[in-house]
Amino acid sequence: NAGVTQTPKFQVLKTGQSMTLQCAQDMNHNSMYWYRQDPGMGLRLIYYSASEGTTDKGEVPNGYNVSRLNKREFSLRLESAAPSQTSVYFCASTAREETQYFGPGTRLLVL
Amino acid sequence: EDQVTQSPEALRLQEGESSSLNCSYTVSGLRGLFWYRQDPGKGPEFLFTLYSAGEEKEKERLKATLTKKESFLHITAPKPEDSATYLCAVQAGGGFKTIFGAGTRLFVKA
Repeated sequence: NAGVTQTPKFQVLKTGQSMTLQCAQDMNHNSMYWYRQDPGMGLRLIYYSASEGTTDKGEVPNGYNVSRLNKREFSLRLESAAPSQTSVYFCASTAREETQYFGPGTRLLVL
Repeated sequence: EDQVTQSPEALRLQEGESSSLNCSYTVSGLRGLFWYRQDPGKGPEFLFTLYSAGEEKEKERLKATLTKKESFLHITAPKPEDSATYLCAVQAGGGFKTIFGAGTRLFVKA
């Protein structure tokens, strides 16, 4: 049981480049989430997917898009990266609206 | 506006020196309060869920309590391996959103 996995672990982008962060879970969870974590701030929700086939905006969705590819996978795309998107990104999943299980994170630096 | 505030931002303890971390919240319709531990370079790891005022939960040297306005994470006789950032989060109202506090960084010196 790998839990929640994320790729890549670390990425450096130039302003304007695009990339997709991948997330997969093997716990058969219905709900999946994308957060960003910045120094001195709590985890902030970018997007979430309550179930396969649905996605909704969170607190800070601007500049991001998501795809719930199937029950296991939930990807986050940056179409045109900006320095303000430098952050650590965490994916999480949960069986219901309860305890969230987090991946190890992707550290993104946008120059 | 729903809000979660954790204090202190950082706490330095000697091994064996017990203390408490605070999480105060302002939300409408609390459905659950969560405590997570986060080690450097890793994702948060679940510790406790509390659902109603007066509820308490324990795990090894940690004990979480909940009132109508705040939660405490009590650490009894901490060890260096307890050093981490402790995050508090709440779910309120309907829906799937969880609001996180900024965390308390705990340093325990041997």
